[in-house]
Amino acid sequence: GDQVEQSPSALSLHEGTGSALRCNFTTTMRAVQWFQQNSRGSLINLFYLASGTKENGRLKSTFNSKESYSTLHIRDAQLEDSGTYFCAAEGNSNNRIFFGDGTQLVVKP
Amino acid sequence: EAAVTQSPRSKVAVTGGKVTLSCHQTNNHDYMYWYRQDTGHGLRLIHYSYVADSTEKGDIPDGYKASRPSQENFSLILELASLSQTAVYFCASSERYEQYFGPGTRLTVL
Repeated sequence: GDQVEQSPSALSLHEGTGSALRCNFTTTMRAVQWFQQNSRGSLINLFYLASGTKENGRLKSTFNSKESYSTLHIRDAQLEDSGTYFCAAEGNSNNRIFFGDGTQLVVKP
Repeated sequence: EAAVTQSPRSKVAVTGGKVTLSCHQTNNHDYMYWYRQDTGHGLRLIHYSYVADSTEKGDIPDGYKASRPSQENFSLILELASLSQTAVYFCASSERYEQYFGPGTRLTVL
């Protein structure tokens, strides 16, 4: 979307490696949410952050409101991590939520 | 146990026909949303609601109506389905901002 620029659009990793996904915001955002869309099309909640960093297993996410970006780090990638990852950010001045266009991740053996 | 459910999970409709997609949540959330996702893209907001008997337009409301008869239920209505409305439709609920999504409904308009 216009307010959320997500990168990269596609990413290929070998099992056991890691990388970072990023969302840049063109306006001030109140909070960010990260989702994984799996092969069945279901949207799985990963993180919700209003600030700082959260970690869950092999995933870690950071949200920096002042510098208008958020990152999702994946380490020790597994085959089941394959899917499309979306960030969604809340506008600071309204209740609207803006989605990025997603990062399509493929994890290879 | 799934807290946001959608029905049907898939549907084939004819152009010009009426389609109703239903969403039910057991999260006790005030906010509910309808999004569409086109292949290879993110989600776009169609309609949302923050209280029963009231709905608001999202970013792409044209061609869609919404109905929120109760806190738990939120419907999306296509009065005259068109080819361009072929997509996957997601419903979500939230207490304020953190959203929880249903499994999606794949709609094909022929």
